[in-house]
Amino acid sequence: EVRLLESGGGLVQPGGSLRLSCAVSGFTFNNYAMSWVRQDPGKGLEWVSDISGSGDTTYYADSVKGRFTISRDNSKNTLYLQMNSLRAEDTAVYYCAKGACTSTGCYNWFDPWGQGTLVTVSS
Amino acid sequence: DIQMTQSPSTLSASVGDRVTVTCRASQSITTWLAWYQQKPGKAPNLLIYKASSLESGVPSRFSGSGSGTDFTLTINTLQPDDFATYYCQQYSSYPWTFGQGTKVEIK
Repeated sequence: EVRLLESGGGLVQPGGSLRLSCAVSGFTFNNYAMSWVRQDPGKGLEWVSDISGSGDTTYYADSVKGRFTISRDNSKNTLYLQMNSLRAEDTAVYYCAKGACTSTGCYNWFDPWGQGTLVTVSS
Repeated sequence: DIQMTQSPSTLSASVGDRVTVTCRASQSITTWLAWYQQKPGKAPNLLIYKASSLESGVPSRFSGSGSGTDFTLTINTLQPDDFATYYCQQYSSYPWTFGQGTKVEIK
């Protein structure tokens, strides 16, 4: 069974930093791209960042570019999101999600998702 | 960025109804579209990928259609477990974007 478990969320002051982790099991981690997606409480979904299976290619939403860094340790089956210079508008539940591969290639729909970890940026 | 617009925002329906949710992209995404179901306090769950392919384990009462800019999610014979919020997502080009969601509530 594929499992994704996020950790590292919490309350942080504006301008502060936080590192999220996502421990995975049940699949060959380095074969799949991984993503972070966030959800403002009670609101919609926003894609944050992607990383390739090897870790050498990354993408970011403009809203976090230059402040957040996605990385992975394939030896530990763990995905990370380093969040710096946090703002109130970064307050959200952060989900990690696995990319998909079929017989025709690999694609960027998200399946499955972790249970999420809440990040609250407030003074 | 590709904007995804869902309609309606809220849909009131009864058990047994057939419901349709619409998703429109601001430019063509061919069939690079996924649908998710989300229940309160839970993570989204994949229902449909590539516009019309049913994810393994998802009941066959769910179906997706469309291509280009206009897409639909249909739930045939609505079940009590289907009352939830539904999101579309395009994966045609970065940044990946979601619709704002459609809440299916009990009439």
